[in-house]
Amino acid sequence: AQSVTQLGSHVSVSEGALVLLRCNYSSSVPPYLFWYVQYPNQGLQLLLKYTSAATLVKGINGFEAEFKKSETSFHLTKPSAHMSDAAEYFCAVTPGTASKLTFGTGTRLQVTL
Amino acid sequence: DAMVIQNPRYQVTQFGKPVTLSCSQTLNHNVMYWYQQKSSQAPKLLFHYYDKDFNNEADTPDNFQSRRPNTSFCFLDIRSPGLGDAAMYLCATSRDLGESETQYFGPGTRLLVL
Repeated sequence: AQSVTQLGSHVSVSEGALVLLRCNYSSSVPPYLFWYVQYPNQGLQLLLKYTSAATLVKGINGFEAEFKKSETSFHLTKPSAHMSDAAEYFCAVTPGTASKLTFGTGTRLQVTL
Repeated sequence: DAMVIQNPRYQVTQFGKPVTLSCSQTLNHNVMYWYQQKSSQAPKLLFHYYDKDFNNEADTPDNFQSRRPNTSFCFLDIRSPGLGDAAMYLCATSRDLGESETQYFGPGTRLLVL
């Protein structure tokens, strides 16, 4: 079954520093990949999704992710972290049907002054 | 704005007392989902409806039921809540079931069981 692995359950960066959240997928064919963000006591909000149209995907709030087939990765980046980026981030994949959206274990991003 | 709405945002119930959580959507999507999310964990799918067709996940306890009376509304019924059912419950929708479809989530209802 297709799955995603998020490396690092907690990531801490300084405000203004680069944000890099890692996600690797296991799939023999290019999957549909998603990044969601969850703020405390909120639902999940879609940041961006990969649908094979372009390997570099731009999302909301200045985030982007690059699909690298050779590395089976879909890492999320943002050039300059802001305090408001502190949240839980989930990478997810849909293995064949939207009803089987499979999440990674999540990465909690902390942004410090 | 089109959206997914969940009420209430916080629900307190007593051990064993039935509780119903509600979800509505203005997106006119065919599919509605219910997830359970415990602290510091990823959401876990309980079941979904494709139109009126109900699909239960194999490991969803019988204690959890759902109703979808029309396209816009979907309810989660917990017949006899236990302490282990305290969690955030998330409703989501998608236009269809294709693998490229995006799921749109509501703000969630946090359930506390006393």
